[in-house]
Amino acid sequence: AQSVSQHNHHVILSEAASLELGCNYSYGGTVNLFWYVQYPGQHLQLLLKYFSGDPLVKGIKGFEAEFIKSKFSFNLRKPSVQWSDTAEYFCAVKGVNAGNMLTFGGGTRLMVKP
Amino acid sequence: NAGVTQTPKFQVLKTGQSMTLQCAQDMNHNSMYWYRQDPGMGLRLIYYSASEGTTDKGEVPNGYNVSRLNKREFSLRLESAAPSQTSVYFCASSTLWGQLSLGNQPQHFGDGTRLSIL
Repeated sequence: AQSVSQHNHHVILSEAASLELGCNYSYGGTVNLFWYVQYPGQHLQLLLKYFSGDPLVKGIKGFEAEFIKSKFSFNLRKPSVQWSDTAEYFCAVKGVNAGNMLTFGGGTRLMVKP
Repeated sequence: NAGVTQTPKFQVLKTGQSMTLQCAQDMNHNSMYWYRQDPGMGLRLIYYSASEGTTDKGEVPNGYNVSRLNKREFSLRLESAAPSQTSVYFCASSTLWGQLSLGNQPQHFGDGTRLSIL
C-alpha cells in the first residue's frame, strides 16, 4: 500500500521568506507525485506534478518541487512567498501500478503574514 | 465553467437521517471519486468508479454507498448518518484508468459539500 506523510502541519512565514514543505511517501515501485493547493473556501487545484524525467518540476505561481528517489521525498519550494500563498497544501502519490488512486498526505496549512 | 459540480454545498442532518450527495462532470472523464477531508488527515478516498458501470471501495467506505448513474454522474449516499461522518466531501474525476502511456492525468475536484451531522 502507498502512504504519504507531510511533516509540517502548520507553517507561518512572513512575506518574501522562502518556503519548503516536506513530503515523504512509501511505495515499492514507480510513482507519480503531485502537489495540490486549497485556498480558503475553494476546492483543490493542481500545483504541479511529476511523472518522469527531470526530477525538478516547476509549477504554477513560482512553485517547484524536487523528486529525490533515494529519499522517497517530493518537497515543495518557493523562493519568496506572498500573502496570497496562504492556503493548505497537499502532497499526493499514485503508485504506477495502483490504478488511478491518489493517496494524500495530511496537508500543511501555510499562513503568510503581510 | 466546465468541471465537476457537487450539490448541495452545505447540509445539516440529524443522526440516523439519510442523504445523497450528487456529483456531475462534463469533461467526459472515465473515472470518478469521492473523498472526505478531515483536519490533519488530508483527503481519504471513500469510493471510486474506474469507469461507467463499476464501483470499488476506497480507504474508508464504511457507512457509505455509491452509484455511478452514467458516465457523467457519481452519487454518494449516507443511509444512516452518524456524527463521525461530519466532514467536507469532495468529488473528483479524471481521464483514463491506468493508461500509463497517457500519463495518468491528475484529478479535477469539485467545490466540496460541507456536511454536519448532529
